[in-house]
Amino acid sequence: GESVGLHLPTLSVQEGDNSIINCAYSNSASDYFIWYKQESGKGPQFIIDIRSNMDKRQGQRVTVLLNKTVKHLSLQIAATQPGDSAVYFCAELSSNDYKLSFGAGTTVTVRA
Amino acid sequence: NAGVTQTPKFQVLKTGQSMTLQCAQDMNHEYMSWYRQDPGMGLRLIHYSVGAGITDQGEVPNGYNVSRSTTEDFPLRLLSAAPSQTSVYFCASSYSYGGAFGYTFGSGTRLTVV
Repeated sequence: GESVGLHLPTLSVQEGDNSIINCAYSNSASDYFIWYKQESGKGPQFIIDIRSNMDKRQGQRVTVLLNKTVKHLSLQIAATQPGDSAVYFCAELSSNDYKLSFGAGTTVTVRA
Repeated sequence: NAGVTQTPKFQVLKTGQSMTLQCAQDMNHEYMSWYRQDPGMGLRLIHYSVGAGITDQGEVPNGYNVSRSTTEDFPLRLLSAAPSQTSVYFCASSYSYGGAFGYTFGSGTRLTVV
């Protein structure tokens, strides 16, 4: 698979490989984290979320990992498909105020 | 069930004009918010509301006003459009239940100020 140790704005991945997208969050008070997928001309679409009392959560072909010690979040996509090509954003939220803050996105391009 | 509906989808304004971007949700969500997205960047929070009659500023509120007279509607007003407000605007609504949050985003309004 292909991964990004630090956040990079783009990721090119071979179809069928695994992808790892990284994100650093800034607010220590954040207790809820979400990954979004945004396709061209559309609004963000929910992929998976995780609460701060967890360090891993799995969905269908996706896994989110949370490391609160270093304030790091990652999204793993298994067996990447052409339809996974999009911009991916991590977002953080404090349940005290509902405000959702977005990180810089990563553009994922899947090579056939 | 339409979710979050934004109108218009596209708009061109001249500098100094005013306009209102409409946002409506039919999910009875208490929380609504407006974001702007500039090329190659993430979404930045303009204003938000935690319920009817309550609004507050986000990260980039200057040049925008909001009101929340009903649970369903959360319009965003540009008072005097400037080229720096050229952007794509997204409205979102959310529920909160059991420590989880369910955000739904509209499809966006692409605004160009000339």
